[in-house]
Parts: sequence; C-alpha cells; structure tokens
Amino acid sequence: GENVEQHPSTLSVQEGDSAVIKCTYSDSASNYFPWYKQELGKGPQLIIDIRSNVGEKKDQRIAVTLNKTAKHFSLHITETQPEDSAVYFCAASDYGGSQGNLIFGKGTKLSVKP
Amino acid sequence: ETGVTQSPTHLIKTRGQQVTLRCSSQSGHNTVSWYQQALGQGPQFIFQYYREEENGRGNFPPRFSGLQFPNYSSELNVNALELDDSALYLCASSTRSYNEQFFGPGTRLTVL
Repeated sequence: GENVEQHPSTLSVQEGDSAVIKCTYSDSASNYFPWYKQELGKGPQLIIDIRSNVGEKKDQRIAVTLNKTAKHFSLHITETQPEDSAVYFCAASDYGGSQGNLIFGKGTKLSVKP
Repeated sequence: ETGVTQSPTHLIKTRGQQVTLRCSSQSGHNTVSWYQQALGQGPQFIFQYYREEENGRGNFPPRFSGLQFPNYSSELNVNALELDDSALYLCASSTRSYNEQFFGPGTRLTVL
C-alpha cells in the first residue's frame, strides 16, 4: 500500500522567511496530493492541493510542487507570519481509483518566531 | 454553508465499554470518511461511507463499525474499547467518493 514520508518533523523560522516541507510517496497510482494545516485543538484544514497532471500550484503565499518521476511533492510558504505556526500534514490518494482515502505523513510542526 | 460538525467534543470511557461518535457532513457532501489521529501522528483512515454503504476500509478491526444515514450524516461505533483507542477521531466529508475532504473539529476519546 501507499506510504508517505514527511520531513522535517519540526521547523523553526523567523517571521518573513520562507519555509519548505517535503514529502515522498511510494505508490505510483497516487494522483492527488493535499496539504493540511492543523492548529492546536482543531481538525485539519485543507490549505492547498495538487493533482498529478499539474507540476506546480500557487495560492498567495503558499505553493506546492510535484515531481511525479521522483515521487515527491513539497509545500512552500513565503513571507511567513506568526499565524502560520501550526502542524502541517501532507497526504496522498489515488483519487478516482479503488479507494479515495488519504494516506498522511507524520506531520511537520512549524514555528514562526516574531 | 455549514461545515463539518462532530459530537461530542470530548468523551471519557473505560476499557471494555462501547462508544458512538457522530458526524454531520458539510452541506451538499454525500461522502463521509473517518480517521483516527493518535497524539503526535498523522490521521489514519478507518473507513469511508458513500450513499449509506461502506466504500473502503483501513487496517482497523471489526469492532470499529459505522453507519451513514439518508441525510449523509454518519456514526462511528467502537466496541470493547481498549486503552490504545484513546485518540482524536476525525470525520471528513467530500462531494463524491474521491474528492477534496474537509475535516470536522474531531472528538477526543480517552479510554481509562
């Protein structure tokens, strides 16, 4: 089955710097890659996603890149702000395949210092 | 548009008991997925319901069962609770079986 590895497990940056979180997946059938932000005591919030027919997607300060050949995808946050501090999860699924469930990485705790 | 809601927010049970958790899907969504999130880990898929039928199951024993109702709300039932069942249980809804999934706030279950 699918396995998703996420790095780093913790990341500390200064306000205004960029943050990059990387994930690798094992199943070449996976074609949908969402990113979630989870704040303390809350459920995961979908912040951006990308499908395998696209190499990059951007939404304001957040961007995601996908390399299907290498089976890895990354989240880029520019001009970080203290409110970006949270745990970020990557996930993968074979959207439209036998099961649409998400396989999650173990998360990255991002701390943005003012 | 109402988001995904879950009840209760917190629950404390003892080993061997049974528990029922509830989820109301986002308006217009017909698919509900349940996940278990242990402390410090990513969510793990339990099962998914689409139009009142189970549509995929993760690596969880049969004592984890579910239902989906005609209004697309859902229940997660866990029998014979074990200490390791202590976790945050998350419900996610989507527009069809394999679309973007939006999560509720979760139910924190503690098994003593």
